[in-house]
Amino acid sequence: AQSVTQLDSQVPVFEEAPVELRCNYSSSVSVYLFWYVQYPNQGLQLLLKYLSGSTLVKGINGFEAEFNKSQTSFHLRKPSVHISDTAEYFCAVRKTGRRALTFGSGTRLQVQP
Amino acid sequence: GAGVSQTPSNKVTEKGKYVELRCDPISGHTALYWYRQSLGQGPEFLIYFQGTGAADDSGLPNDRFFAVRPEGSVSTLKIQRTERGDSAVYLCASSLDGTSGTGELFFGEGSRLTVL
Repeated sequence: AQSVTQLDSQVPVFEEAPVELRCNYSSSVSVYLFWYVQYPNQGLQLLLKYLSGSTLVKGINGFEAEFNKSQTSFHLRKPSVHISDTAEYFCAVRKTGRRALTFGSGTRLQVQP
Repeated sequence: GAGVSQTPSNKVTEKGKYVELRCDPISGHTALYWYRQSLGQGPEFLIYFQGTGAADDSGLPNDRFFAVRPEGSVSTLKIQRTERGDSAVYLCASSLDGTSGTGELFFGEGSRLTVL
């Protein structure tokens, strides 16, 4: 079975500072990797996904993530955050051949002025 | 509608009662998923439909939980003999893709279930 660990439950950061949200996974088989964002009172929204190919993936709103197979990580980064980035961020994996996503417990990003 | 619609948005019930939660996916989306999100946790997979059939129901916690999608569009999640531990936000998602499974999932805002 696969599992997803998001090492930080909360990340406070000042506006315009860079941020990295960490995600590690464990799986004995190939996986697809995803980051979802949940803004207050809204549904989960896909930020970016890694299926194959280039290990650096760019998503919406200036976010990017890098797949590191040797470290089994898929950390999310943004060089300069905005107040509007305040939200809950979820890392998720899906085993190839299955449809079920396994989510991490989430990281709350709090951007302060 | 433009997005995935879930009703009710909030449901309070008593222990032992029966509950139905409805999901109306984006028109034309063949795949439909149910997830459950407990407080402070990420969503947990329950069941996946491809068309009318449940292609993977391995996440349903026990036989009190059941879901249907009779016409391949709207789905209903049914919970019998509710328990306090069933309290959570139940999320529905849909996607356009067929067998590849790489398409984007679009989530609804969820139905918050509280069992007293």
